[in-house]
Amino acid sequence: SQTIHQWPATLVQPVGSPLSLECTVEGTSNPNLYWYRQAAGRGLQLLFYSVGIGQISSEVPQNLSASRPQDRQFILSSKKLLLSDSGFYLCAWSTDIRLGNTIYFGEGSWLTVV
Amino acid sequence: DAKTTQPPSMDCAEGRAANLPCNHSTISGNEYVYWYRQIHSQGPQYIIHGLKNNETNEMASLIITEDRKSSTLILPHATLRDTAVYYCIVRASGTYKYIFGTGTRLKVLA
Repeated sequence: SQTIHQWPATLVQPVGSPLSLECTVEGTSNPNLYWYRQAAGRGLQLLFYSVGIGQISSEVPQNLSASRPQDRQFILSSKKLLLSDSGFYLCAWSTDIRLGNTIYFGEGSWLTVV
Repeated sequence: DAKTTQPPSMDCAEGRAANLPCNHSTISGNEYVYWYRQIHSQGPQYIIHGLKNNETNEMASLIITEDRKSSTLILPHATLRDTAVYYCIVRASGTYKYIFGTGTRLKVLA
C-alpha cells in the first residue's frame, strides 16, 4: 500500500532563518506531488505541484520554493523565513489524472516563525 | 479560486444524519466532485467522490443533483468523531490541481 511521510512534524524557526520540509511517498511510482499551506483558521492553499522529477509548478508567488530531486521526494524550502510563513504545511500525492482519482495527504508540519 | 460554495458551519445531533450541502453551479461535464474532511491538526482525509451518479461507501453517501450544480454529503449516523471541517472540491479529469475552499465546520453534539 502507498504511504506518505513528511517531516519534521513541528518546527519553530526565527525570522530570516532557512527552511527545509521534506516529503516522501512509498508504494507508488511517478506520483503527482503537492505542497499546501493552511494558515490558522483558514482553508488549504495550493503552493506547488510537481508531475515529475525536476518539474515544479508554482501557484502563488511567495518566499518559498520547491524541488523534486527524486521521483518520490518533494522538498519545500525557504532561504529566509518571514513571520507570514507560519502555518500548517501539508504534502500530498495523487496518481492518474485522467481518472477520478483522489489526492492523499501526509500528517502535516506545523511551522511557527518567531 | 475554489469553484464550490459551502456554509461555514453546521451542527448535528449525535446519531442523526448529517447533510452537508455544496454548490458548484459552474461545474463542467468532466469535473468530479470530491469530499474530504479535516480533523484538527491532521491532514485532510478522503471521503468520497462522484461524477454524476450518486455514490455510497462505508463512510458516507454522495447525492449529486441531476443538473450537477449542487451536491450533498450524507453521514448517516453522525458520531462525535465526525466533528471536523468538510471540504467539497471539484476537479476536472486531466488536470493536476485540487483547489480547496474554506469548507464547512461540522460540530456533532452529544
